[in-house]
Amino acid sequence: GDSVTQMEGPVTLSEEAFLTINCTYTATGYPSLFWYVQYPGEGLQLLLKATKADDKGSNKGFEATYRKETTSFHLEKGSVQVSDSAVYFCALGGSGGYQKVTFGTGTKLQVIP
Amino acid sequence: EAGVAQSPRYKIIEKRQSVAFWCNPISGHATLYWYQQILGQGPKLLIQFQNNGVVDDSQLPKDRFSAERLKGVDSTLKIQPAKLEDSAVYLCASSLKLGGEFFGPGTRLTVL
Repeated sequence: GDSVTQMEGPVTLSEEAFLTINCTYTATGYPSLFWYVQYPGEGLQLLLKATKADDKGSNKGFEATYRKETTSFHLEKGSVQVSDSAVYFCALGGSGGYQKVTFGTGTKLQVIP
Repeated sequence: EAGVAQSPRYKIIEKRQSVAFWCNPISGHATLYWYQQILGQGPKLLIQFQNNGVVDDSQLPKDRFSAERLKGVDSTLKIQPAKLEDSAVYLCASSLKLGGEFFGPGTRLTVL
């Protein structure tokens, strides 16, 4: 079945450091890929998405490129801020024609000043 | 626009008791999801509705969990009887299309 594997956290970075959170997936068909973010005390929010191979999703300085050859969708940001501290979830959906979204286990990011 | 509403926000019960959660999706969203998020894990889909029909309930423990969506709008998720391992945050989400899910704040359930 479909699955998502993402790097374990927590990840602790200093402000303005470069961020990479790795995500790989297994799916039938051609899924869409997503990154969701959950800020402390808040609900899940869609951060960015890509719907086909080589697409790059971007939002709030975050980027991720859909790499079909490596089945990856790594999240990157060039310069993190304290306000980026949150839990980040990689997810896939739309595989096999269904809308079901499958989430990874989440990676907690803590940015220190 | 108003977001997805859920209630209650917190619930503490003893094992073998019953509990129900309520969700009001964003107006016009035909698809509604219930997810279970156990501490330290990603959300797991329990059930997906398209209007008031069930699309996917393959991971719903049907011996104790039930859900309904009357008139294709509000939805309730019930657990009867609850077990200790049901302690989790229950998330409701709604969408017009894939990747456009809007999540509610969740209901944190603690089973003692």
